[in-house]
Amino acid sequence: EAGVVQSPRYKIIEKKQPVAFWCNPISGHNTLYWYLQNLGQGPELLIRYENEEAVDDSQLPKDRFSAERLKGVDSTLKIQPAELGDSAVYLCASSLSRATGTQYFGPGTRLTVL
Amino acid sequence: QKEVEQDPGPLSVPEGAIVSLNCTYSNSAFQYFMWYRQYSRKGPELLMYTYSSGNKEDGRFTAQVDKSSKYISLFIRDSQPSDSATYLCAMSAGGTAGNKLTFGGGTRVLVKP
Repeated sequence: EAGVVQSPRYKIIEKKQPVAFWCNPISGHNTLYWYLQNLGQGPELLIRYENEEAVDDSQLPKDRFSAERLKGVDSTLKIQPAELGDSAVYLCASSLSRATGTQYFGPGTRLTVL
Repeated sequence: QKEVEQDPGPLSVPEGAIVSLNCTYSNSAFQYFMWYRQYSRKGPELLMYTYSSGNKEDGRFTAQVDKSSKYISLFIRDSQPSDSATYLCAMSAGGTAGNKLTFGGGTRVLVKP
């Protein structure tokens, strides 16, 4: 069974440029999460989807970050414009449902903003 | 102060030794406790999952939860160089919060041959 797929794996951009990350969850997983992981720290939740509905986006900086999960499968996380402090790893995870505690993580996208 | 505290390490041990990791937390609503392992440039992978207090063993890994002390531990017996990674504890309250995870900062472990 394929795991959570993320692309690109690495991205380097200039500050003020836009950037987008893509995630394909494990087949059949209804719940999808985007996390931010700074160097030397644990992941922090940005947004959680139940199917196509964003049910927890309280930690998402909405002035520059946006996310969508059309058709309740793939998801895209966008930053526009990017700032130097956005340099981090962006992790996508999925689980069967909100009630199931096991979250499976993708390899992440490492973003460097210059 | 963070909800979940974890010593960042690094923790260096010789091959075959017991690795002892722990986290403390402040939110008494946490009921589900997990340990994830993260290799360099990889995503976290679930190692152990425990509900409420008690012990759980899986092969070389033992997880302990003491809710009265708000303290959880992970022990790795007969450590191998392949156990070298960052270990993250994670917790959730369940219920209306669903399975929103709050992570510790991770402890870096190095097992020397």
